[in-house]
Amino acid sequence: NAGVTQTPKFRILKIGQSMTLQCTQDMNHNYMYWYRQDPGMGLKLIYYSVGAGITDKGEVPNGYNVSRSTTEDFPLRLELAAPSQTSVYFCASRLQGVDEKLFFGSGTQLSVL
Amino acid sequence: GQQVMQIPQYQHVQEGEDFTTYCNSSTTLSNIQWYKQRPGGHPVFLIQLVKSGEVKKQKRLTFQFGEAKKNSSLHITATQTTDVGTYFCAGLSWGKLQFGAGTQVVVTP
Repeated sequence: NAGVTQTPKFRILKIGQSMTLQCTQDMNHNYMYWYRQDPGMGLKLIYYSVGAGITDKGEVPNGYNVSRSTTEDFPLRLELAAPSQTSVYFCASRLQGVDEKLFFGSGTQLSVL
Repeated sequence: GQQVMQIPQYQHVQEGEDFTTYCNSSTTLSNIQWYKQRPGGHPVFLIQLVKSGEVKKQKRLTFQFGEAKKNSSLHITATQTTDVGTYFCAGLSWGKLQFGAGTQVVVTP
């Protein structure tokens, strides 16, 4: 199993551009999450999904959109990128049950200039 | 809403010394998880505590969940250079996992 795969690893955007961060998992996990991590800070939840077709907002959803058409994929869309969206983005997944640990992807480092 | 606080924010440790990092939640938690993130890496799951007063050990790491299920601690004995990184606690409440800001650990040889 590859686990949680994120692409791209690095990206530079100009203000106002849009892009999609890709996330896919091959563990058949029902829960998927998007977090952002600013330098020296913890993880802030952007959006999450409890299964295909179901998504919900986290703490900091403004400026982002998600979709979950399949169990495996959970892309994060940035519309009209702003410098405040410069961050490292992590996708994570877990299986609902007794052991609820998160499996994280390796992250996408995004700079908006 | 739910808040998870971690102290200290930074911890400088001499190799061989012990230290403890603390995690406090504003609400009662279903469980608490601990993660470690190496510099430039992604968070990696260490352990999950579920029961009130639970204590778990992983080699030199001891994790404790408070009796009221609102706080937790991580104690590392005989710190090694491999312990460098940021340690996050994450509290699960009403289906949402809330991360603390982390304790960044620097080890001096």
